[in-house]
Amino acid sequence: GQNIDQPTEMTATEGAIVQINCTYQTSGFNGLFWYQQHAGEAPTFLSYNVLDGLEEKGRFSSFLSRSKGYSYLLLKELQMKDSASYLCAVEDSNYQLIWGAGTKLIIKP
Amino acid sequence: NAGVTQTPKFRILKIGQSMTLQCTQDMNHNYMYWYRQDPGMGLKLIYYSVGAGITDKGEVPNGYNVSRSTTEDFPLRLELAAPSQTSVYFCASSKRETDTGELFFGEGSRLTVL
Repeated sequence: GQNIDQPTEMTATEGAIVQINCTYQTSGFNGLFWYQQHAGEAPTFLSYNVLDGLEEKGRFSSFLSRSKGYSYLLLKELQMKDSASYLCAVEDSNYQLIWGAGTKLIIKP
Repeated sequence: NAGVTQTPKFRILKIGQSMTLQCTQDMNHNYMYWYRQDPGMGLKLIYYSVGAGITDKGEVPNGYNVSRSTTEDFPLRLELAAPSQTSVYFCASSKRETDTGELFFGEGSRLTVL
């Protein structure tokens, strides 16, 4: 079966750095997405990786290793507004998105 | 620019009732999707459409129906509502020709079946 694993919850301190991991087993691979979802709101797109390596976008970076079936989202200089759930999703060989359950990130002052 | 608009935002249904969740997008996206999101679970695809007149089942289509008569609209019909359909429903769209094919989501519709 197809599976996306990410930690259920993480806690970090304002101003610090946090890394949210995602491992996947899917039927084929056509890209990996990270979305941010604040409580009670819709997911919003953060990043897309299709090739191995690191993609940097401001305070957020996303890394992909296709051979290891592994990705992480790195958040730097954490702000209180970064408190949200972070969803990892993989596009399989049929171009269908398989979603992880999400990682709830709690930022403490 | 409105993006993806869903209505209603909240609805309570009795078991056996039917209703339609409306979804419209003004970005001229060819792909549209309906997802449900349950606590502690990943988004589950109910139905999707690759263009007007074309729809296909996703992972959890039972109890639902869709239509796509225009590029803009993609309503989701719930027939004979059941408590298992209590969930938050998200409509989304994407333009597959872009590099990322990122999804643009509506604000969600919270449905409770009692």
